[in-house]
Amino acid sequence: SAVISQKPSRDICQRGTSLTIQCQVDSQVTMMFWYRQQPGQSLTLIATANQGSEATYESGFVIDKFPISRPNLTFSTLTVSNMSPEDSSIYLCSVEGPSSYNEQFFGPGTRLTVL
Amino acid sequence: QKEVEQDPGPLSVPEGAIVSLNCTYSNSAFQYFMWYRQYSRKGPELLMYTYSSGNKEDGRFTAQVDKSSKYISLFIRDSQPSDSATYLCAMSLPTGNQFYFGTGTSLTVIP
Repeated sequence: SAVISQKPSRDICQRGTSLTIQCQVDSQVTMMFWYRQQPGQSLTLIATANQGSEATYESGFVIDKFPISRPNLTFSTLTVSNMSPEDSSIYLCSVEGPSSYNEQFFGPGTRLTVL
Repeated sequence: QKEVEQDPGPLSVPEGAIVSLNCTYSNSAFQYFMWYRQYSRKGPELLMYTYSSGNKEDGRFTAQVDKSSKYISLFIRDSQPSDSATYLCAMSLPTGNQFYFGTGTSLTVIP
């Protein structure tokens, strides 16, 4: 499986500011995914990011709030914009497995607290 | 109704016990079924991956899928304290790559 790293691992931010989360993979992958994990809730897919195209957002998530970049096959960023306390969550990136897109491998997550 | 239902627990068992973790789902079109293990402050780690119905075994772990009942299970034999984690079930459709996750079951194995 791919080795995935995320930066920062955690952050505490003020309301109204923005935070950019980085996801780095040790191998080239076509599809990268961004999830949110809130306490007591299922992992929720924010968007799918393919290199060279615009990210595809799930219902309830918009590009203005969660802009995503995918400049190459090993890297992606997710920005959480104009943050509010409701954005406090763990943000995870994942990549498809080498044998099937029905396997996904996750990074360690970024724990975000918004005051 | 949620797509995937999972009892959040917490579940606490003595070391050596057999653990049964379960999920139910509503969409009969799901074909791929996964179990993830997530340690505290870590990302989910893929444990088992099953296509359609049947059983799959990997060491102390057995995954079962019963599509007629829309029910999947993960069994852990000879549980160890290192198995203490949150276990997430996930499933997906034949086409597309969207995963539907359960909320996770918190497991503690007591030495």
